Amino acid sequence: GQNIDQPTEMTATEGAIVQINCTYQTSGFNGLFWYQQHAGEAPTFLSYNVLDGLEEKGRFSSFLSRSKGYSYLLLKELQMKDSASYLCAVRDSNYQLIWGAGTKLIIKP
Amino acid sequence: ETGVTQSPTHLIKTRGQQVTLRCSSQSGHNTVSWYQQALGQGPQFIFQYYREEENGRGNFPPRFSGLQFPNYSSELNVNALELDDSALYLCASSMGSSDSGANVLTFGAGSRLTVL
Repeated sequence: GQNIDQPTEMTATEGAIVQINCTYQTSGFNGLFWYQQHAGEAPTFLSYNVLDGLEEKGRFSSFLSRSKGYSYLLLKELQMKDSASYLCAVRDSNYQLIWGAGTKLIIKP
Repeated sequence: ETGVTQSPTHLIKTRGQQVTLRCSSQSGHNTVSWYQQALGQGPQFIFQYYREEENGRGNFPPRFSGLQFPNYSSELNVNALELDDSALYLCASSMGSSDSGANVLTFGAGSRLTVL
């Protein structure tokens, strides 16, 4: 079967750095996405990785290792507004998105 | 540029009833996909429409059906509602077919369905 694993919940301090990991086992791989979802709102796109390595976009970076079936999302200089769920999704060989359950990130002052 | 809009935002139905959820895609987008998101879970892919044809379907029974219209708006229909159908239903639009590059999804705010 296909599986995406992420931690259920993480807590970090305002101004700090946090890394959210995602491991996947899917039938084929055609890209990995990270989305942010605030409670009661729609998911919004953060990043896309299809090749190994690090993609940096402002305070957010995403890393991919296809051989290890592993990705992480790195959030720097955390702000209170970063409190949200972070969803990892992999596009499989049928070009369907398989989603993880999401990691709820709690930011404390 | 308008985003993805969904209606209704909330609704309550009883077991056995039927429901229709609507979605207007973002301007310029021709692909619409529907997801079911249970509380505390990630979205589960229901199906996708590209140029009015279904071109992908997840593991959902036939009582989940859909349509895409010439203006690229879409409907999700669920017949014979069950208690487990209670969830947030998300519509997402994108440009191009599913295998075109990053193909970033733009989500609507969702329709929260409660089945009693």
